[in-house]
Amino acid sequence: AQSVTQPDIHITVSEGASLELRCNYSYGATPYLFWYVQSPGQGLQLLLKYFSGDTLVQGIKGFEAEFKRSQSSFNLRKPSVHWSDAAEYFCAVGAETQGAQKLVFGQGTRLTINP
Amino acid sequence: KAGVTQTPRYLIKTRGQQVTLSCSPISGHRSVSWYQQTPGQGLQFLFEYFSETQRNKGNFPGRFSGRQFSNSRSEMNVSTLELGDSALYLCASSSSLTPGQGDRSPLHFGNGTRLTVT
Repeated sequence: AQSVTQPDIHITVSEGASLELRCNYSYGATPYLFWYVQSPGQGLQLLLKYFSGDTLVQGIKGFEAEFKRSQSSFNLRKPSVHWSDAAEYFCAVGAETQGAQKLVFGQGTRLTINP
Repeated sequence: KAGVTQTPRYLIKTRGQQVTLSCSPISGHRSVSWYQQTPGQGLQFLFEYFSETQRNKGNFPGRFSGRQFSNSRSEMNVSTLELGDSALYLCASSSSLTPGQGDRSPLHFGNGTRLTVT
């Protein structure tokens, strides 16, 4: 069975600073990996996804993530954060054998932006 | 294109009652999945439907059930509500035409139904 760990429950960064959110997964075969963002009172919005191929994937809103199989990680990065990036971020893993609909989510990282 | 629509947005129920939540997927999407989000357990998969058939089920008791109609709209029902059922229930749809192994159609989530059980 898959599992996901997001080690940081809460991160605070200054506006304009760079950001890296950590995600470690556990799955024996090829994982499907996703990052979602959730603003207060809203559902989840897909930021980016990785299935195979190039290990650096680009997403919306200037986010990117890098898949590192050797470290079982899929960290999310952004070079310069904006106040509107304040939200909760979820990493999720799916199994290639089951498809991308049944996901296991991490506990989330809440991002606060200092002006 | 309209997104995933969930109704109602908020519900307050009493312990022991039952509740039905509704989800309309993005037009053309035939796969609908349901997730429960709580502060303690996080996001957990409930079940997935495709073409009116339940394809996958999470680890929830039988009090949680769902169905999908021929127009792909879906409902989930929770019977004999418990305080621990208080949660945000999220519905997601995908454009998958052949769900299952190798399917890469990502989930598109609605804004959820906030259920409070008192």
